[in-house]
Amino acid sequence: AQSVAQPEDQVNVAEGNPLTVKCTYSVSGNPYLFWYVQYPNRGLQFLLKYITGDNLVKGSYGFEAEFNKSQTSFHLKKPSALVSDSALYFCAGGNTGFQKLVFGTGTRLLVSP
Amino acid sequence: DGGITQSPKYLFRKEGQNVTLSCEQNLNHDAMYWYRQDPGQGLRLIYYSQIVNDFQKGDIAEGYSVSREKKESFPLTVTSAQKNPTAFYLCASSWGTNEKLFFGSGTQLSVL
Repeated sequence: AQSVAQPEDQVNVAEGNPLTVKCTYSVSGNPYLFWYVQYPNRGLQFLLKYITGDNLVKGSYGFEAEFNKSQTSFHLKKPSALVSDSALYFCAGGNTGFQKLVFGTGTRLLVSP
Repeated sequence: DGGITQSPKYLFRKEGQNVTLSCEQNLNHDAMYWYRQDPGQGLRLIYYSQIVNDFQKGDIAEGYSVSREKKESFPLTVTSAQKNPTAFYLCASSWGTNEKLFFGSGTQLSVL
């Protein structure tokens, strides 16, 4: 069965410092992977996706993610965190040609001033 | 203003009652989805539809029903058979397979 894991329930970082939110996946075949962000009482917003190509994917709001096939990881990164980045982040994945995405359990990011 | 509209924002269900959550999109997307969000569990797929008049069960379809009579609309009915309906329900749409999802703002369903 396909699965996506986010090992950290919460990540704390100071404003201006780099941030990393971790994601690992278990997907048969060629994976496609997404990161979404959710603000309180709102739907999810798309940040970035990987299907094929460059292992470093750049997305919205200065976020990027690195696809690592050998470690089956797709960590979300940002060089300098903002307080406004505080939100709930979801990793999601599936294999190409498969309609259903599997979501991780989410990681709450708290950026302190 | 393009996007996905979910209504109502808050909904309360009485014992034995069926309730229907609305989802409308004006993005001309073929695929539409319903997810359930519970704290600490991420999003779980209830039903999805790739084309009008066709839909498939997701991972937790028991106690739910859907219809897709129009491209723009994908309502979800939470039936009395769903014994634990309290959750945040999210509707989404996409152009198709492997494409990013566009989400509505969600409906919080609670049991009276």
